[in-house]
Amino acid sequence: LAKTTQPISMDSYEGQEVNITCSHNNIATNDYITWYQQFPSQGPRFIIQGYKTKVTNEVASLFIPADRKSSTLSLPRVSLSDTAVYYCLVGDMKMDSSYKLIFGSGTRLLVRP
Amino acid sequence: DTGVSQDPRHKITKRGQNVTFRCDPISEHNRLYWYRQTLGQGPEFLTYFQNEAQLEKSRLLSDRFSAERPKGSFSTLEIQRTEQGDSAMYLCALGRGSYEQYFGPGTRLTVT
Repeated sequence: LAKTTQPISMDSYEGQEVNITCSHNNIATNDYITWYQQFPSQGPRFIIQGYKTKVTNEVASLFIPADRKSSTLSLPRVSLSDTAVYYCLVGDMKMDSSYKLIFGSGTRLLVRP
Repeated sequence: DTGVSQDPRHKITKRGQNVTFRCDPISEHNRLYWYRQTLGQGPEFLTYFQNEAQLEKSRLLSDRFSAERPKGSFSTLEIQRTEQGDSAMYLCALGRGSYEQYFGPGTRLTVT
């Protein structure tokens, strides 16, 4: 599985847009990029997944440049409740039949009033 | 509600004791995963089941650990002769064969 690198922490204020970038220089052709969110004392929660270009859902957007060596999770107009740890994962949807998730240390986002 | 319940939510035990955790899927998913998470780290994969078959075990799962999923529904994770290093959050997750998985609230184990 491709190794990912994310900032350890980020600070923001309510109402701002937050962009968390993840580097995955060794991403393979069949790898998909998946983001999870985890609040304290809860299990991680799936946010979004993509392969290339842009994916948007009701929670976030995921931007993936053409070379796919990085990806950016964009959270529009964050609120205090978006304070959490965000994990970027990459994995081979076709070859990895286990689909086990390999988490790094994630990015701790703190949203201030 | 993620469709997964775990019991107990917290467990304090003395070193050397055996503990068992349970994961109950509320909805049907053919895959069930166990992960372990220590403070400040992301979850680490332990093992997974497809229906009742245990298909993969991590090297983290020593001989003191055993997991079962009888009848392909609920699952149990047992730790024998607990050690202080076993203190962690144990998470159960459900999936259908993708990287989109649904996690339970976890069982926090403290070994004293």
